Amino acid sequence: DQQVKQNSPSLSVQEGRISILNCDYTNSMFDYFLWYKKYPAEGPTFLISISSIKDKNEDGRFTVFLNKSAKHLSLHIVPSQPGDSAVYFCAATAYGGSQGNLIFGKGTKLSVKP
Amino acid sequence: EAGVTQFPSHSVIEKGQTVTLRCDPISGHDNLYWYRRVMGKEIKFLLHFVKESKQDESGMPNNRFLAERTGGTYSTLKVQPAELEDSGVYFCASSRFSRGRSYNEQFFGPGTRLTVL
Repeated sequence: DQQVKQNSPSLSVQEGRISILNCDYTNSMFDYFLWYKKYPAEGPTFLISISSIKDKNEDGRFTVFLNKSAKHLSLHIVPSQPGDSAVYFCAATAYGGSQGNLIFGKGTKLSVKP
Repeated sequence: EAGVTQFPSHSVIEKGQTVTLRCDPISGHDNLYWYRRVMGKEIKFLLHFVKESKQDESGMPNNRFLAERTGGTYSTLKVQPAELEDSGVYFCASSRFSRGRSYNEQFFGPGTRLTVL
Protein backbone atom coordinates (compact mmCIF):
# COMPACT_ATOMS: atom_id res chain seq x y z
CA ASP A 1 0.00 0.00 0.00
CA GLN A 2 1.41 3.36 -1.05
CA GLN A 3 2.32 5.63 1.85
CA VAL A 4 3.18 8.62 -0.36
CA LYS A 5 0.81 9.47 -3.18
CA GLN A 6 1.12 11.85 -6.08
CA ASN A 7 -2.22 11.62 -7.81
CA SER A 8 -1.40 13.76 -10.82
CA PRO A 9 0.92 11.93 -13.22
CA SER A 10 1.41 15.08 -15.29
CA LEU A 11 1.00 18.84 -15.19
CA SER A 12 1.34 21.41 -17.95
CA VAL A 13 1.94 25.09 -17.16
CA GLN A 14 2.72 28.20 -19.15
CA GLU A 15 6.09 29.84 -18.63
CA GLY A 16 5.94 32.57 -15.99
CA ARG A 17 2.88 31.12 -14.26
CA ILE A 18 2.75 29.18 -11.01
CA SER A 19 3.22 25.40 -10.91
CA ILE A 20 1.61 23.58 -7.98
CA LEU A 21 2.51 19.95 -7.40
CA ASN A 22 0.63 18.01 -4.75
CA CYS A 23 1.47 15.09 -2.53
CA ASP A 24 -0.49 13.17 0.11
CA TYR A 25 0.81 10.76 2.72
CA THR A 26 -0.74 8.25 5.08
CA ASN A 27 1.94 7.48 7.67
CA SER A 28 1.70 9.75 10.74
CA MET A 29 5.25 8.77 11.71
CA PHE A 30 6.77 10.68 8.79
CA ASP A 31 8.64 13.67 10.19
CA TYR A 32 10.57 14.96 7.20
CA PHE A 33 9.43 15.58 3.66
CA LEU A 34 11.43 16.22 0.51
CA TRP A 35 11.00 17.05 -3.13
CA TYR A 36 13.34 15.63 -5.72
CA LYS A 37 13.58 16.64 -9.36
CA LYS A 38 14.55 14.17 -12.07
CA TYR A 39 15.61 14.71 -15.67
CA PRO A 40 15.64 11.79 -18.15
CA ALA A 41 18.64 9.46 -17.82
CA GLU A 42 19.72 11.15 -14.59
CA GLY A 43 19.24 10.33 -10.94
CA PRO A 44 16.88 12.34 -8.72
CA THR A 45 18.29 15.63 -7.45
CA PHE A 46 17.30 17.10 -4.10
CA LEU A 47 15.26 20.27 -4.48
CA ILE A 48 13.77 21.35 -1.17
CA SER A 49 12.65 19.84 2.12
CA ILE A 50 10.53 20.57 5.16
CA SER A 51 10.46 19.29 8.71
CA SER A 52 7.15 18.27 10.24
CA ILE A 53 7.49 21.02 12.84
CA LYS A 54 7.16 23.65 10.12
CA ASP A 55 4.39 24.49 7.70
CA LYS A 56 6.36 26.35 5.07
CA ASN A 57 9.87 26.42 3.64
CA GLU A 58 11.00 28.72 0.86
CA ASP A 59 14.08 28.64 -1.35
CA GLY A 60 14.11 31.09 -4.20
CA ARG A 61 11.35 30.25 -6.68
CA PHE A 62 10.47 27.07 -4.76
CA THR A 63 8.18 26.89 -1.73
CA VAL A 64 6.95 23.78 0.03
CA PHE A 65 3.82 23.88 2.18
CA LEU A 66 2.93 21.23 4.74
CA ASN A 67 -0.55 20.64 6.15
CA LYS A 68 -0.09 17.97 8.81
CA SER A 69 -3.75 17.70 9.74
CA ALA A 70 -4.60 16.92 6.12
CA LYS A 71 -1.42 14.87 5.59
CA HIS A 72 -0.78 16.94 2.50
CA LEU A 73 2.13 18.85 1.08
CA SER A 74 2.58 20.91 -2.03
CA LEU A 75 5.43 22.37 -4.02
CA HIS A 76 4.95 25.80 -5.58
CA ILE A 77 7.23 27.02 -8.35
CA VAL A 78 6.92 30.72 -9.15
CA PRO A 79 7.59 31.79 -11.83
CA SER A 80 7.82 28.55 -13.78
CA GLN A 81 10.57 28.27 -16.38
CA PRO A 82 11.03 25.83 -19.29
CA GLY A 83 14.10 24.40 -17.50
CA ASP A 84 11.80 23.30 -14.69
CA SER A 85 10.32 20.67 -17.00
CA ALA A 86 11.13 17.37 -15.29
CA VAL A 87 9.59 14.67 -13.13
CA TYR A 88 9.09 15.76 -9.52
CA PHE A 89 9.07 13.18 -6.76
CA CYS A 90 7.67 13.73 -3.31
CA ALA A 91 9.45 11.72 -0.60
CA ALA A 92 9.12 11.22 3.14
CA THR A 93 11.11 9.68 5.94
CA ALA A 94 10.37 8.70 9.53
CA TYR A 95 13.84 9.13 10.97
CA GLY A 96 14.22 12.90 10.95
CA GLY A 97 15.94 12.56 7.61
CA SER A 98 19.27 11.80 9.23
CA GLN A 99 19.86 8.23 8.16
CA GLY A 100 16.56 6.76 7.17
CA ASN A 101 15.47 5.52 3.82
CA LEU A 102 13.13 7.63 1.72
CA ILE A 103 9.59 6.65 0.73
CA PHE A 104 8.77 8.08 -2.68
CA GLY A 105 5.61 8.86 -4.60
CA LYS A 106 5.22 7.88 -8.25
CA GLY A 107 6.17 11.32 -9.50
CA THR A 108 4.50 14.13 -11.44
CA LYS A 109 5.83 15.09 -14.86
CA LEU A 110 5.86 18.87 -15.16
CA SER A 111 5.94 20.48 -18.59
CA VAL A 112 6.52 24.22 -18.73
CA LYS A 113 5.64 25.63 -22.13
CA PRO A 114 7.37 28.76 -23.46
CA GLU B 1 33.64 16.66 -5.58
CA ALA B 2 32.74 13.69 -7.76
CA GLY B 3 29.15 12.53 -7.55
CA VAL B 4 27.73 9.05 -7.07
CA THR B 5 28.67 6.84 -9.99
CA GLN B 6 27.03 3.63 -11.13
CA PHE B 7 28.14 0.94 -13.54
CA PRO B 8 26.91 -0.18 -15.99
CA SER B 9 24.47 2.43 -17.21
CA HIS B 10 22.49 -0.23 -19.05
CA SER B 11 22.37 -4.01 -18.85
CA VAL B 12 20.32 -6.39 -20.97
CA ILE B 13 20.33 -10.01 -19.86
CA GLU B 14 18.23 -13.10 -20.31
CA LYS B 15 16.07 -14.62 -17.63
CA GLY B 16 18.13 -16.92 -15.44
CA GLN B 17 21.40 -15.07 -15.93
CA THR B 18 23.34 -13.20 -13.28
CA VAL B 19 24.01 -9.47 -13.22
CA THR B 20 26.13 -7.40 -10.86
CA LEU B 21 25.58 -3.68 -10.47
CA ARG B 22 28.19 -1.42 -8.93
CA CYS B 23 27.88 1.84 -7.04
CA ASP B 24 30.66 4.19 -6.01
CA PRO B 25 29.38 6.68 -3.42
CA ILE B 26 30.70 10.15 -2.80
CA SER B 27 33.98 9.94 -0.91
CA GLY B 28 33.45 10.19 2.85
CA HIS B 29 29.78 9.22 2.74
CA ASP B 30 29.17 6.43 5.21
CA ASN B 31 25.51 5.94 4.26
CA LEU B 32 24.82 4.08 1.03
CA TYR B 33 21.35 3.20 -0.23
CA TRP B 34 19.98 1.11 -3.07
CA TYR B 35 16.61 1.93 -4.61
CA ARG B 36 14.71 0.57 -7.60
CA ARG B 37 12.13 2.06 -9.92
CA VAL B 38 9.98 -0.27 -11.96
CA MET B 39 8.50 1.47 -15.00
CA GLY B 40 5.75 3.91 -14.10
CA LYS B 41 5.93 3.18 -10.42
CA GLU B 42 7.50 4.81 -7.39
CA ILE B 43 11.16 4.65 -6.48
CA LYS B 44 11.36 1.91 -3.85
CA PHE B 45 13.94 1.45 -1.14
CA LEU B 46 15.93 -1.79 -1.22
CA LEU B 47 18.57 -1.51 1.48
CA HIS B 48 20.84 0.77 3.47
CA PHE B 49 24.49 0.36 4.44
CA VAL B 50 26.31 2.30 7.14
CA LYS B 51 29.92 1.78 6.18
CA GLU B 52 30.18 -1.96 5.55
CA SER B 53 27.24 -2.96 7.73
CA LYS B 54 23.69 -3.54 6.51
CA GLN B 55 21.55 -1.15 8.56
CA ASP B 56 18.23 -1.98 6.92
CA GLU B 57 17.52 -4.53 4.19
CA SER B 58 13.76 -4.62 4.61
CA GLY B 59 13.19 -3.59 1.00
CA MET B 60 15.07 -6.45 -0.63
CA PRO B 61 12.48 -8.36 -2.67
CA ASN B 62 13.84 -11.88 -2.17
CA ASN B 63 17.00 -13.93 -1.70
CA ARG B 64 17.92 -13.65 -5.37
CA PHE B 65 19.28 -10.21 -4.50
CA LEU B 66 22.62 -9.92 -2.69
CA ALA B 67 24.22 -6.61 -1.74
CA GLU B 68 27.72 -6.14 -0.42
CA ARG B 69 29.87 -3.23 0.62
CA THR B 70 33.25 -4.64 1.48
CA GLY B 71 35.55 -2.13 3.15
CA GLY B 72 32.77 0.41 3.39
CA THR B 73 33.54 2.00 0.03
CA TYR B 74 31.83 0.87 -3.16
CA SER B 75 28.86 -1.46 -3.16
CA THR B 76 27.65 -4.20 -5.47
CA LEU B 77 24.14 -5.52 -5.98
CA LYS B 78 23.95 -8.98 -7.53
CA VAL B 79 20.80 -10.49 -8.97
CA GLN B 80 21.01 -14.25 -9.40
CA PRO B 81 19.13 -15.68 -11.19
CA ALA B 82 17.41 -12.71 -12.81
CA GLU B 83 13.66 -12.83 -13.47
CA LEU B 84 11.52 -10.72 -15.82
CA GLU B 85 10.07 -8.69 -12.93
CA ASP B 86 13.56 -7.54 -11.92
CA SER B 87 13.62 -5.15 -14.87
CA GLY B 88 13.79 -1.52 -13.87
CA VAL B 89 16.19 1.27 -12.99
CA TYR B 90 18.40 0.67 -9.98
CA PHE B 91 19.53 3.81 -8.18
CA CYS B 92 22.27 4.16 -5.63
CA ALA B 93 22.41 7.09 -3.22
CA SER B 94 24.84 8.18 -0.54
CA SER B 95 24.86 10.63 2.34
CA ARG B 96 27.02 11.71 5.25
CA PHE B 97 26.49 10.09 8.61
CA SER B 98 24.89 12.23 11.30
CA ARG B 99 24.44 11.49 15.00
CA GLY B 100 21.64 14.01 15.29
CA ARG B 101 18.33 14.40 13.55
CA SER B 102 19.51 16.99 11.07
CA TYR B 103 18.86 16.12 7.47
CA ASN B 104 21.72 14.85 5.38
CA GLU B 105 20.84 15.04 1.72
CA GLN B 106 20.90 11.81 -0.19
CA PHE B 107 22.81 12.23 -3.46
CA PHE B 108 21.66 9.90 -6.19
CA GLY B 109 23.61 8.30 -8.99
CA PRO B 110 22.32 8.22 -12.57
CA GLY B 111 21.02 4.68 -12.18
CA THR B 112 21.51 1.38 -13.97
CA ARG B 113 18.73 0.39 -16.35
CA LEU B 114 18.31 -3.37 -16.15
CA THR B 115 16.30 -5.22 -18.78
CA VAL B 116 15.62 -8.92 -18.29
CA LEU B 117 14.37 -10.68 -21.43
